[in-house]
Amino acid sequence: DTGVSQNPRHKITKRGQNVTFRCDPISEHNRLYWYRQTLGQGPEFLTYFQNEAQLEKSRLLSDRFSAERPKGSFSTLEIQRTEQGDSAMYLCASSSELQGEQFFGPGTRLTVL
Amino acid sequence: SQQGEEDPQALSIQEGENATMNCSYKTSINNLQWYRQNSGRGLVHLILIRSNEREKHSGRLRVTLDTSKKSSSLLITASRAADTASYFCATAPTQFYFGTGTSLTVIP
Repeated sequence: DTGVSQNPRHKITKRGQNVTFRCDPISEHNRLYWYRQTLGQGPEFLTYFQNEAQLEKSRLLSDRFSAERPKGSFSTLEIQRTEQGDSAMYLCASSSELQGEQFFGPGTRLTVL
Repeated sequence: SQQGEEDPQALSIQEGENATMNCSYKTSINNLQWYRQNSGRGLVHLILIRSNEREKHSGRLRVTLDTSKKSSSLLITASRAADTASYFCATAPTQFYFGTGTSLTVIP
């Protein structure tokens, strides 16, 4: 399968714990995006990379969230000191610079107890 | 605030009928994209229309774009039960912003 993959698919954690998610984009795509989606809502933009550079970060993103893409390939999203309000589906997408259309992974569903 | 806003929020039709949903946006765009999301699954890209295009077709999908009104419509012809999903628009260069979507139910 050469699509976008995300791990884990599900994560249950207790409030206050740190969690890390991984996204592996389509190999030839140099743009990578992270979104958060809650029930009944559209995806909410979190951050975006072009190669290894983080070019944009949502103003809504608290300092507890950090994302990296160290070698311009896979990316990780870390949430520190999780809160119940962080419970959501975290989606990753990738695109090639010229096309713009985004290819989404299946998401990681986070539940904070 | 969201860039793309879909309308209606929910739509229910009989199989075989056509479904039309609309998207309005606020700022200048390079292109507009439509995505589909089946319940509990990831988003799938449907079609991209560039700002210099007025209409585009892909199979049973027809997309129009009116940049003067900052709006787009997605028409699904001869709907099928498998078209039941949520549909979202997203705009570029600020393609990062999606609306709340139109929930389409196609009744067999």
